[in-house]
Amino acid sequence: AQSVTQLGSHVSVSEGALVLLRCNYSSSVPPYLFWYVQYPNQGLQLLLKYTTGATLVKGINGFEAEFKKSETSFHLTKPSAHMSDAAEYFCAVSDSNYQLIWGAGTKLIIKP
Amino acid sequence: EAQVTQNPRYLITVTGKKLTVTCSQNMNHEYMSWYRQDPGLGLRQIYYSMNVEVTDKGDVPEGYKVSRKEKRNFPLILESPSPNQTSLYFCASSRIETDYGYTFGSGTRLTVV
Repeated sequence: AQSVTQLGSHVSVSEGALVLLRCNYSSSVPPYLFWYVQYPNQGLQLLLKYTTGATLVKGINGFEAEFKKSETSFHLTKPSAHMSDAAEYFCAVSDSNYQLIWGAGTKLIIKP
Repeated sequence: EAQVTQNPRYLITVTGKKLTVTCSQNMNHEYMSWYRQDPGLGLRQIYYSMNVEVTDKGDVPEGYKVSRKEKRNFPLILESPSPNQTSLYFCASSRIETDYGYTFGSGTRLTVV
């Protein structure tokens, strides 16, 4: 069975610092991978996705993620954190039944 | 505007009083799904539907019902709500392709007292 592991339920970074949110997956087939963001009191919004092709994927708000097959990882990064990036971030992988398998989420805290 | 619309946004009800949370999408998506979100537990799928008249259980279906009589609507029904169903609920929709990703509604915060 496929699974998604997000390392760290909470990650705290200073404003202007690098953001790194980790996601590892297990999949027996080539995966489609997603990052979603949930701002306070809102629904989930697609941040970026990897399907095929270039392994470095750029998303909205300056975020990007790199698919590394050998490491079964899809970590999310942003060079410089803004206060507005404070949110919960979810990694997900699609399975062969058109379902998304979700990680538990990581809350990103931005320190002034 | 392409969107998934849930109603109501907030609902407080009493134990045992039947309620329905509506979900509607305007993107002609085949796939629709309901999730609940609880602190520390992430997103858990309740039910999903691959198309009209096709529904299936997710990870936590007990105490919930759904129907998919038309493509755009996917209501969530709680026949006899209990306090353990107090949660934040999300509806999502997608094209059937696995690489498409989901569009989510804004959520319904349900409190059962």
